[in-house]
Amino acid sequence: NAGVMQNPRHLVRRRGQEARLRCSPVKGHSHVYWYRQLPEEGLKFMVYLQKENIIDESGMPKERFSAEFPKEGPSILRIQQVVRGDSAAYFCASSLNLGGAGNQPQHFGDGTRLSIL
Amino acid sequence: GIQVEQSPPDLILQEGANSTLRCNFSDSVNNLQWFHQNPWGQLINLFYIPSGTKQNGRLSATTVATERYSLLYISSSQTTDSGVYFCAVGPYNTDKLIFGTGTRLQVFP
Repeated sequence: NAGVMQNPRHLVRRRGQEARLRCSPVKGHSHVYWYRQLPEEGLKFMVYLQKENIIDESGMPKERFSAEFPKEGPSILRIQQVVRGDSAAYFCASSLNLGGAGNQPQHFGDGTRLSIL
Repeated sequence: GIQVEQSPPDLILQEGANSTLRCNFSDSVNNLQWFHQNPWGQLINLFYIPSGTKQNGRLSATTVATERYSLLYISSSQTTDSGVYFCAVGPYNTDKLIFGTGTRLQVFP
């Protein structure tokens, strides 16, 4: 009965390196969402994906950030050339697709804490 | 875009006390969820409650969608209830959740 699995739990990178965050949704869930939580703030939506498709990336920074959800394997959030301001907790969520936008609960993982040195 | 306001921002209680947390939102929604973020940063799903009333142990929640607010009740609070409580809403025709700024709860023995 595994929930949303995120790894790694903690990730440390130096400025200029790349960060890859992974998310395996609940078994049977076809929708994946990524959210970012800056220190002492609430979560902010970044991107919504279905298998092999980006549905809504309105919250994603235009540069250095990308996300994918391939046909096989986990969803990946990739941050290139990281900067200090990318330090945050990144949460992944998944939901069922039973038709109708947004009418299913989202289930969240434990997050990845990204620290930039 | 839709605004989500939570009150109070901070709440300090002694163990055993009851409390009510409020979430106001500025437009119609078809998804509303309450979460507890514990001191370790984990986000615990408390309720999926776009309308109506639900109860789970010492916690209950009510959403009055027509009046655009939701309430989370915590009875007989325990130190393990400490953390930040978030309300998140899903506007119609979108799949994303918009989070409020949270209520930080501290329960002392």
